[in-house]
Amino acid sequence: AQKVTQAQTEISVVEKEDVTLDCVYETRDTTYYLFWYKQPPSGELVFLIRRNSFDEQNEISGRYSWNFQKSTSSFNFTITASQVVDSAVYFCARASGNTGKLIFGQGTTLQVKP
Amino acid sequence: DGGITQSPKYLFRKEGQNVTLSCEQNLNHDAMYWYRQDPGQGLRLIYYSQIVNDFQKGDIAEGYSVSREKKESFPLTVTSAQKNPTAFYLCASSIASGTGTDTQYFGPGTRLTVL
Repeated sequence: AQKVTQAQTEISVVEKEDVTLDCVYETRDTTYYLFWYKQPPSGELVFLIRRNSFDEQNEISGRYSWNFQKSTSSFNFTITASQVVDSAVYFCARASGNTGKLIFGQGTTLQVKP
Repeated sequence: DGGITQSPKYLFRKEGQNVTLSCEQNLNHDAMYWYRQDPGQGLRLIYYSQIVNDFQKGDIAEGYSVSREKKESFPLTVTSAQKNPTAFYLCASSIASGTGTDTQYFGPGTRLTVL
């Protein structure tokens, strides 16, 4: 199976620290899409970003940034100056084929302490 | 407001009973999905539908059934054949361009507990 791996199960940081969440994926497709979602304690998954395999430019949105490296099949997510509200489970996912099915990683639980 | 609603938020079921989880969207999306989440794990696809009156099995469809009679609705039935149904169930929808590029948007989820 073409997996998505998030090796970090849990990360704990103190507020204002920077933190990077790792994501490594497997694929045989030449064109594919990658996603990050946030799941706060309420349970709903919140969409953060979508990136296609042709665009390797890093992206920044406020305190969030993403580093996509096709050569290492990685799509890492960095939160700068973390805040308590960033505490959540973060999922990386890859779209599979033309069906739109998402293959999710196991998730990384981020705890930001005051 | 546009969005995806799931009901109920919490559901308790006795062993041997079938239960139906509701998922409704008013985003005018063609595709809808059902995922299951177990503690400490990622989401796994149960069923998906890209168009009304058509649906396909996902990776863990055994013990579940769905229908797609209306574009905005995609109910999931957890049958008594599902051996371990206690989990958090999430519904999602997307535009379904057919290219596999669409972003899925999720509902708030239903937490099912078998007593």
